[in-house]
Amino acid sequence: NAGVTQTPKFQVLKTGQSMTLQCAQDMNHNSMYWYRQDPGMGLRLIYYSASEGTTDKGEVPNGYNVSRLNKREFSLRLESAAPSQTSVYFCASSDSQGAVVIGELFFGEGSRLTVL
Amino acid sequence: KQEVTQIPAALSVPEGENLVLNCSFTDSAIYNLQWFRQDPGKGLTSLLLIQSSQREQTSGRLNASLDKSSGRSTLYIAASQPGDSATYLCAVTRRTGGGNKLTFGTGTQLKVEL
Repeated sequence: NAGVTQTPKFQVLKTGQSMTLQCAQDMNHNSMYWYRQDPGMGLRLIYYSASEGTTDKGEVPNGYNVSRLNKREFSLRLESAAPSQTSVYFCASSDSQGAVVIGELFFGEGSRLTVL
Repeated sequence: KQEVTQIPAALSVPEGENLVLNCSFTDSAIYNLQWFRQDPGKGLTSLLLIQSSQREQTSGRLNASLDKSSGRSTLYIAASQPGDSATYLCAVTRRTGGGNKLTFGTGTQLKVEL
């Protein structure tokens, strides 16, 4: 079982470049999330999607955009990358009822992004 | 604002020891609490999910308890093994103001030595 799949696993960008992180889940979950993980800061929510066609800002949305393409896929776009966006990005998914997470959260393996 | 604290930040124990990891949260109006394991360079793996109506959950050598009134959860690991070495994180889902938003602790880095 694939679970949550993220691509790419590693990426190096120059300041000002753009890129999209892709995420897909095969568990038929309603909700999907993008987090970033930084040393000493823990995991912080960037954006989430409670259901297909909806997206909402999390704790640190500035500099990012998302698209919930269908129930399976949720992408994260950096329009103009900055060194402060150097981080490890995780996609996750879960069952939910409306806005409430009711099941376990399943994570992808992470995408390690460096912005020079 | 919900704050989640995990103490200690790091812990080293000999193999075979029983151990307890702690998680504290400031807002007791939670929907559920999850414990995760993260190996170096990997994503998080869910270990146990405790709903707010539950007091504990067990899976193999792991037992997690929840005391909402005191804002605390513990993860008990029995007969620890070197393969248990990892970072353990807890996360709470708040009941109001956006149930989709989990708040994570910063984790306890566990090392089980031979």
